[in-house]
Amino acid sequence: NAGVTQTPKFRILKIGQSMTLQCTQDMNHNYMYWYRQDPGMGLKLIYYSVGAGITDKGEVPNGYNVSRSTTEDFPLRLELAAPSQTSVYFCASSREGSYEQYFGPGTRLTVT
Amino acid sequence: GQQLNQSPQSMFIQEGEDVSMNCTSSSIFNTWLWYKQDPGEGPVLLIALYKAGELTSNGRLTAQFGITRKDSFLNISASIPSDVGIYFCAGLYNFNKFYFGSGTKLNVKP
Repeated sequence: NAGVTQTPKFRILKIGQSMTLQCTQDMNHNYMYWYRQDPGMGLKLIYYSVGAGITDKGEVPNGYNVSRSTTEDFPLRLELAAPSQTSVYFCASSREGSYEQYFGPGTRLTVT
Repeated sequence: GQQLNQSPQSMFIQEGEDVSMNCTSSSIFNTWLWYKQDPGEGPVLLIALYKAGELTSNGRLTAQFGITRKDSFLNISASIPSDVGIYFCAGLYNFNKFYFGSGTKLNVKP
């Protein structure tokens, strides 16, 4: 039981490039979330999903896209990377009806 | 978005001392959560609070859901070196979105 896994751990992007951050959970959780954490700050919700095929915007969705085709996977897509997207990205999941989120180890992204 | 004000920003304490930190907001939250984050790791849930006035303990940690539903408190008793880390509060707003405080960095001197 690996919990929530994220790949890659680190990535450097040039301005304008695109990439997908991967997130997988093996706990059969319906709810999944993407957060970003800027240095010295708390986490901000980007997108969340309450089940396969259902996604919704969080507090800071601009510049990102998500999809949820399976219960296990919730990838986050950056289409045109900008320096403001330099951050650490965390994926989390929780059971339906529970707000106790389990976090992955994070992806550290630098855009230069 | 909703603002959570977490204080203090950082604390330097001696091993064995008790610690208190809190989170306040101008908005009402349905659930309060407290997390601990170690360097290079994701946050780990410590305590979840679901009802106004609720007081919940987890070992040396005690947290309370404020009666107004706009605040929450976390206390750590008899601190030890492994308590070092950043503690975050998080509030569930409108039953679907979580907002996080900016964190309290705890340093414990042996």
